Amino acid sequence: QKEVEQDPGPLSVPEGAIVSLNCTYSNSAFQYFMWYRQYSRKGPELLMYTYSSGNKEDGRFTAQVDKSSKYISLFIRDSQPSDSATYLCAMSAVGLGADGLTFGKGTHLIIQP
Amino acid sequence: DVKVTQSSRYLVKRTGEKVFLECVQDMDHENMFWYRQDPGLGLRLIYFSYDVKMKEKGDIPEGYSVSREKKERFSLILESASTNQTSMYLCASNPGQTYEQYFGPGTRLTVT
Repeated sequence: QKEVEQDPGPLSVPEGAIVSLNCTYSNSAFQYFMWYRQYSRKGPELLMYTYSSGNKEDGRFTAQVDKSSKYISLFIRDSQPSDSATYLCAMSAVGLGADGLTFGKGTHLIIQP
Repeated sequence: DVKVTQSSRYLVKRTGEKVFLECVQDMDHENMFWYRQDPGLGLRLIYFSYDVKMKEKGDIPEGYSVSREKKERFSLILESASTNQTSMYLCASNPGQTYEQYFGPGTRLTVT
């Protein structure tokens, strides 16, 4: 079973706010978790990835995975208008990219200047 | 930089036509993928390939076929286009040692 739930939004926040984006999933075999960012009329690009549970930080972005709750989050600090995009969570049970990813539907984020 | 290119950004075809969508990657990646992206449904995997002449069905292969005759090129074929295949089609590649998939810009296909 492959199922990933993600609120499609839109989520609109003022510039400088902390943004929280979330996904839940049902397949306990998922071990690799990714966040992609997709600007309008572009293909998705990888923002962050984590393996298993825990936190990972990269600049203003923090990814969290809670496998016990089957819940992943992406936090954006000091949000900027350039962060306005659709954010897609993605997951895989198989490492090394040999399998297709299972994506959430994406959350449309709008950062108001 | 990895570059994944798709043959067309926009395509309009008629019902019943045979449609070819081409994807080329320039980084010698092992794995290539075709997805479609629809509002409210997100990205769904159609087919993928982990080697030349190899292909695997994804979640929604019905109505599609693929061809990978060369490592850098992965083609998606709609044998007889139907209106429910109107969508954004995204190609991606992956080197096989990491989890990251590199996406092309997408082809917006309209079937009338």
